[in-house]
Amino acid sequence: SAVISQKPSRDICQRGTSLTIQCQVDSQVTMMFWYRQQPGQSLTLIATANQGSEATYESGFVIDKFPISRPNLTFSTLTVSNMSPEDSSIYLCSGMSRSSYNEQFFGPGTRLTVL
Amino acid sequence: DAKTTQPNSMESNEEEPVHLPCNHSTISGTDYIHWYRQLPSQGPEYVIHGLTSNVNNRMASLAIAEDRKSSTLILHRATLRDAAVYYCILRSPLYNYGQNFVFGPGTRLSVLP
Repeated sequence: SAVISQKPSRDICQRGTSLTIQCQVDSQVTMMFWYRQQPGQSLTLIATANQGSEATYESGFVIDKFPISRPNLTFSTLTVSNMSPEDSSIYLCSGMSRSSYNEQFFGPGTRLTVL
Repeated sequence: DAKTTQPNSMESNEEEPVHLPCNHSTISGTDYIHWYRQLPSQGPEYVIHGLTSNVNNRMASLAIAEDRKSSTLILHRATLRDAAVYYCILRSPLYNYGQNFVFGPGTRLSVLP
């Protein structure tokens, strides 16, 4: 199994600013994903973070709003840009390794509040 | 991935068994049945998965109907720590290799002391 940590665990931000969330995995993983979970809702996939290339975004999410980096097999960042109160949510990082495609690991999430 | 249907919520008493149902009438022959749970203020975590036969691990048991159109996650003795949202997910390794798991609304389990 893999252990995933995220920083920060929570933040309160002003409208119009940007926040970068860091995701660190304690072992190499093949796939990394970023999800959003709004209060009381299920998880929605934002994008797949690809190592060394642009992330693959789901419908309704764009690179200008949610730029993602993945410089290596254990680290990724998600930036929430030009934030508005509608971006208040929990953002979760997730990983999956080639040796275990039956299990996806999740970080504890970053709780973002935009005022 | 085929669709699953779960009750929105369930309640159990502490130290009693809990049976969480999942219907998946359109399941295909290659779909595995996976269960994840999300404890409060945490990310989802893997619970168990199976294909045709019943499965047991240290966390739970998975009972799969003979026609595979439904399954039940069994917690043998619920504890307060088992209060969580439980997600039943179908996934075929043949068509979803390397793809993420897709989460539905799940079942919110409350455990009463």
